[in-house]
Amino acid sequence: DTEVTQTPKHLVMGMTNKKSLKCEQHMGHRAMYWYKQKAKKPPELMFVYSYEKLSINESVPSRFSPECPNSSLLNLHLHALQPEDSALYLCASRGRVPDTQYFGPGTRLTVL
Amino acid sequence: QKEVEQNSGPLSVPEGAIASLNCTYSDRGSQSFFWYRQYSGKSPELIMFIYSNGDKEDGRFTAQLNKASQYVSLLIRDSQPSDSATYLCAVNNGWSGNTPLVFGKGTRLSVIA
Repeated sequence: DTEVTQTPKHLVMGMTNKKSLKCEQHMGHRAMYWYKQKAKKPPELMFVYSYEKLSINESVPSRFSPECPNSSLLNLHLHALQPEDSALYLCASRGRVPDTQYFGPGTRLTVL
Repeated sequence: QKEVEQNSGPLSVPEGAIASLNCTYSDRGSQSFFWYRQYSGKSPELIMFIYSNGDKEDGRFTAQLNKASQYVSLLIRDSQPSDSATYLCAVNNGWSGNTPLVFGKGTRLSVIA
C-alpha cells in the first residue's frame, strides 16, 4: 500500500478563518512533507518533518503552522490567509528502502 | 544550488509514437532519480525510479540513467492520449530529513490522436 491520504479535498475559507489540513500515511515513512503548488508550476516545498521533528521550514509565513502529532500524521494549520495563498496543497511521505516519495491527492484551497 | 533542468515543452507526439523526456541535474552526488506524472489539477504520481546507470523498464515506460553525463530520461512507447500530462523529474542527493527531493519544472507532453 503506497497511499497517502489528505482531507479535506477542497476548502474555501475567508481571510479571518482558522482551518486545518490533515495528512496520513501508514507506510512507516519517517519523512513527511508539505508542498504548495500553483497552476502550471512544480510543487514548492514548504516544510519537512523527519522523525516527527521539523527539519526544514522554507521561510514560510507564520500564517501556516505545521504539526506532526505522530509518525503517521501531519497537519497544516491555517490562519489569516491571503487570497494569493489559494493553491493545491500537497502532502508527501518518503521511505528509505526503497527511497521513494509518494504524494497525497492534495487539498484545493481557495481563500476569499 | 542543486538544479534539475527539464524542457518545459509542450512536447507533442502522435499516438503510437515514442515520447522521449529528458532531464539533467547539477549535483554529481545525486543517488536516486524519479519520474512523476501529473495530470492537470491532480497530484504527482510516481511512475518510475532508477538508482543505477543503464535502463529500467516497466511496461511501456523505460527510465535511462547516465551518471557520467548527469542526465536521466523517460521513454514512453506506444504513446496514448491518456499519457498527456506534465512529467516531473526529481533527484535525491541522499536520505536524511535535510535532503528533500529536488524537482525540475516539468515537461508537458501532448499525445495527439
